[in-house]
Amino acid sequence: KNEVEQSPQNLTAQEGEFITINCSYSVGISALHWLQQHPGGGIVSLFMLSSGKKKHGRLIATINIQEKHSSLHITASHPRDSAVYICAVKGRDDMRFGAGTRLTVKP
Amino acid sequence: NAGVMQNPRHLVRRRGQEARLRCSPMKGHSHVYWYRQLPEEGLKFMVYLQKENIIDESGMPKERFSAEFPKEGPSILRIQQVVRGDSAAYFCASSPEWGPYEQYFGPGTRLTVT
Repeated sequence: KNEVEQSPQNLTAQEGEFITINCSYSVGISALHWLQQHPGGGIVSLFMLSSGKKKHGRLIATINIQEKHSSLHITASHPRDSAVYICAVKGRDDMRFGAGTRLTVKP
Repeated sequence: NAGVMQNPRHLVRRRGQEARLRCSPMKGHSHVYWYRQLPEEGLKFMVYLQKENIIDESGMPKERFSAEFPKEGPSILRIQQVVRGDSAAYFCASSPEWGPYEQYFGPGTRLTVT
């Protein structure tokens, strides 16, 4: 079993839909990151969380430390949101990554 | 403020040659992380460095791979005697300090071993 599990692996949505991507982890962490990797391969850090909830535009990330679970929500999804979303947890020094969720938003 | 810079963006090496990948962190950042993404696989942590120090290299293969972050200049990831299995995208990220700080990723170097 991977230390960082994401679901779903693949997600197809229609433009405008509300999207949720889930991340569960089994190790102690100092922070959790949500990353976005575009088809060209570049990686952008969306959020870093250690507790609670953060919002940036149409993106919302939440984390429940007790349950070792985080969610990334996208409201009013758009085709430009199509990318791979990666959950990563930071231990003391290293970072462990989920396998990613491939999101495709159709117009 | 320029972001994290990596060069080259694409690197082709023949089996047995050496590959040198460079990473210049964001201005003011003294911590660098290297990650590898094999084709069709997820990201994997390789090494975490601070200026002139290797803090954690638990993700580095024991042989042929080395990393440094000198007092002056970029961080270097060196792969000696490359093999086809080293073909991957190598990303570096930087953060200002140790701890739960946001990491900023470079564009990656795509290494192809022929």
